Amino acid sequence: EVHLLESGGDLVQPGGSLRLSCAASGFTFSICAMTWVRQAPGKGLEWVSSIDTTGGGTYYADSVKGRFTISRDNSKNTLYLQMNSLRAEDTAVYYCAKINTQPRDWFDPWGQGSLVTVSS
Amino acid sequence: DIQMTQSPSSVSASVGDRVTITCRASQGISSWLAWYQQKPGKAPKLLISTASSLQSGVPSRFSGSGSGTDFTLTISSLQPEDFATYYCQQANSFPITFGQGTRLEIK
Repeated sequence: EVHLLESGGDLVQPGGSLRLSCAASGFTFSICAMTWVRQAPGKGLEWVSSIDTTGGGTYYADSVKGRFTISRDNSKNTLYLQMNSLRAEDTAVYYCAKINTQPRDWFDPWGQGSLVTVSS
Repeated sequence: DIQMTQSPSSVSASVGDRVTITCRASQGISSWLAWYQQKPGKAPKLLISTASSLQSGVPSRFSGSGSGTDFTLTISSLQPEDFATYYCQQANSFPITFGQGTRLEIK
């Protein structure tokens, strides 16, 4: 069974940094593109970033470009999201998800999410 | 960026009702559209991909249609477990965008 488990969410001050991790199991992680999607409290879904199988291709929403970095370690079956210069509007539950095939595709399944709160 | 607009934003319905949710793209996306269901406190679940392909394990009362700019998600006979929020997502081009969501509530 495919399983994704996010970790690393925390309370952080504005301007701070945080790294989220997503541990994958139940599938061949190294051949699957991956993505991060976030959901602010009471709001809808917002795509954040996607990465191809090797990490050579990365894609970002304009709202996080230059501040967030997506990466992966295929030897550890783990996806990462390094978040710098955090703002209050980055407060959200962050989900990782497996992408169907190419980086621009459907997301299935999703992890349970990790809450990031940016506040002083 | 491609804007995805869902309607209605919320709908009240009864068990057994037929419900249709629409999603309109600001430009043509061929069939690069997915539908997700999200229940409170849970992660989204993929229901339909490529506009009309039902995912394995999803009940046949769910169906999707459309191409280009106009798409629909139909639930033929609502069951208690279907009350949730539904999102469309385009995968035609980056940035990937979602509709604002449609909340399906019990009447």
